Amino acid sequence: DIVMTQTPLSSPATLGQPASISCRSSQSLLHSDGNTYLNWLQQRPGQPPRVLIYKISNRFSGVPDRFSGSGAGTDFTLKISRVEAEDVGVYYCMQGTQFPHTFGQGTKLEIK
Amino acid sequence: EVQLVESGGLLIQPGGSLRLSCAISGFSVGDSYVTWVRQAPRKGLEWVSVIYRGGETFYRDSVKGRFTISRDNSKNTVDLQMNSLTAEDTAVYYCARGSGWLEEWGQGTLVTVSA
Repeated sequence: DIVMTQTPLSSPATLGQPASISCRSSQSLLHSDGNTYLNWLQQRPGQPPRVLIYKISNRFSGVPDRFSGSGAGTDFTLKISRVEAEDVGVYYCMQGTQFPHTFGQGTKLEIK
Repeated sequence: EVQLVESGGLLIQPGGSLRLSCAISGFSVGDSYVTWVRQAPRKGLEWVSVIYRGGETFYRDSVKGRFTISRDNSKNTVDLQMNSLTAEDTAVYYCARGSGWLEEWGQGTLVTVSA
């Protein structure tokens, strides 16, 4: 199975300041179809997860543009340009390239 | 508007069977991929199974031979039949649209396996 490793696991953030989360996969996420299925999800307290970013850098419909994704191969990053109070929650990276699809351990974003 | 609504979760004894259902509106299950993901209490997310638009199915190793994913195009539902349940299957089970990425998610249904 592909192991997804996120850092940090906890991120105390300051309102209005940037934040970033890293995700490393144990093998390349480049699929034979040419796509890299690395996604970022947000799970607010008491809510189901929702996709923020898919295929490395594509923002899903309705996701604020303060969220951005980057990376390639095995190293990926989620950046929040200016943290807002509603961003509190747990963030997961997920690979959808190889079965079983796997998730990172989650990064808890909280406000300082 | 796309909606996924899971049902069927409850408290069940080890070794028992349970059938979860995902009722879908806003898209046709026959034209889409639908995935089941679970989340054990206070834990992270774990991919369980997917059914492709062509009908192909895939499972994680720990549920292969025990879980079966299926769909009913006429009812627009995707079910997860779970047999030989153990305590390690205790989790909130979510259904979601998609495979490579999961576009929309239901609210989840809680399965508790305990004596």
